[in-house]
Amino acid sequence: GAGVSQSPSNKVTEKGKDVELRCDPISGHTALYWYRQSLGQGLEFLIYFQGNSAPDKSGLPSDRFSAERTGGSVSTLTIQRTQQEDSAVYLCASSLEGGSYTEAFFGQGTRLTVV
Amino acid sequence: AQSVTQLGSHVSVSEGALVLLRCNYSSSVPPYLFWYVQYPNQGLQLLLKYTSAATLVKGINGFEAEFKKSETSFHLTKPSAHMSDAAEYFCAVSEDQGGKLIFGQGTELSVKP
Repeated sequence: GAGVSQSPSNKVTEKGKDVELRCDPISGHTALYWYRQSLGQGLEFLIYFQGNSAPDKSGLPSDRFSAERTGGSVSTLTIQRTQQEDSAVYLCASSLEGGSYTEAFFGQGTRLTVV
Repeated sequence: AQSVTQLGSHVSVSEGALVLLRCNYSSSVPPYLFWYVQYPNQGLQLLLKYTSAATLVKGINGFEAEFKKSETSFHLTKPSAHMSDAAEYFCAVSEDQGGKLIFGQGTELSVKP
């Protein structure tokens, strides 16, 4: 596609429910990142996928958070037993290859509200 | 550990005035530095990046930033603000080859007519 696509754009869920957020990266991009943007914490790194390498999960805030990337393309971020503090905008980005010298292109995000 | 500090969560300028958004970083190795812009209800867009090729970096929409190692700064400037520049600006640092970005808290820029 033309850009990074995220779905849904908005999600309201009840506390304790599981949610899945989807990211379609730009075709051909081997690197994929998830970030979280919240009022209190700003923009935080969550997880990074690069090709077939083991993902960098160092930013995941708890074991309720997990992500996978199937076939080196689409990624799903799953939050189990959602809590109110999980409310945030979840941003996905992709780049042609991993590395700080390549530009990361961001999607418009999924706004998650836990009620 | 890497970190980024953006001085001023909100900056207001008049149209045509100089824009100066401050960013200081902390890094144990020569960093890669970035400025991103976020317009309302949109994702982040790269304005410019420093990757050690030149200390003065020019970006899109007339913005530029200067890397000053002695001051550990990477301030963003634009000589003349336009109304369309109103947005939130994020400074970010990366020092590993993985490309993981550490962001500052953001500065919201308002432009007055």
